[in-house]
Amino acid sequence: GQQLNQSPQSMFIQEGEDVSMNCTSSSIFNTWLWYKQEPGEGPVLLIALYKAGELTSNGRLTAQFGITRKDSFLNISASIPSDVGIYFCALESSGSARQLTFGSGTQLTVLP
Amino acid sequence: GAGVSQSPSNKVTEKGKDVELRCDPISGHTALYWYRQSLGQGLEFLIYFQGNSAPDKSGLPSDRFSAERTGGSVSTLTIQRTQQEDSAVYLCASSPSSGGAGPQHFGDGTRLSIL
Repeated sequence: GQQLNQSPQSMFIQEGEDVSMNCTSSSIFNTWLWYKQEPGEGPVLLIALYKAGELTSNGRLTAQFGITRKDSFLNISASIPSDVGIYFCALESSGSARQLTFGSGTQLTVLP
Repeated sequence: GAGVSQSPSNKVTEKGKDVELRCDPISGHTALYWYRQSLGQGLEFLIYFQGNSAPDKSGLPSDRFSAERTGGSVSTLTIQRTQQEDSAVYLCASSPSSGGAGPQHFGDGTRLSIL
C-alpha cells in the first residue's frame, strides 16, 4: 500500500509564531485533506485540496497541494492557544469507497 | 442529528467478551466508514458502507470484527472475543456519497479499553 509520511511528529511554539507541517506520499493522489483533532473528539476537516498546485486558505490556515501530487503542506500563521491539537494529513483513495489514509499526525503545543 | 453520533463514548470490558459499538451518521448521508485509532497514531480504515451494503471490508483486522448497517442509517461494529490489542478509539464517519460529493465528517469516537 501507499506510504504517507508526516512531519514533524511534534512542535512546541510560542504564541504568535507561524507553524508549518508537511506530508509526502509514495504515490500520486487526487485529493489531500488536512484535519485537526482535539482530545476526546473526532477529526475535524480544516482544508480540502483537489488540484495539483492548488493553494487554499481558511482564516489563518493555508495549505497547498504539491505540483507533483505527492506532497502537501499546512501553514498556520500567528498561532494562538486554541490551535493546540493534533493535525493530520489524509489522502482519499481513488476507488469507489474513497476511504482515507491518514498520516501519523503532528502534535502542536502553543506556549503562552 | 446535526453531526455523527457514536455510543457509548467509553467502553471498558474484560478480555474475551463481545462488544457492540454504534454509529448514527448525519441524516441523509449514504456513505459510512469505520476507522480505528490506536494511542498516538493516525486513523486506520476498517470498513465502508454504501447504503446497507459493505463493498469494502478490507480493513477489518480479523474475523472477530464485523459490522452491519440497517435502514441506510445506523451502523454497529461488533468485536467478538475481544483481545487487549483491540483497545483503541473507534471512529465513525459519514459523507453524502462515496462519489466525492463532500468530505467525511467524523463522530467523537468510542474509546474501547480491554482489561
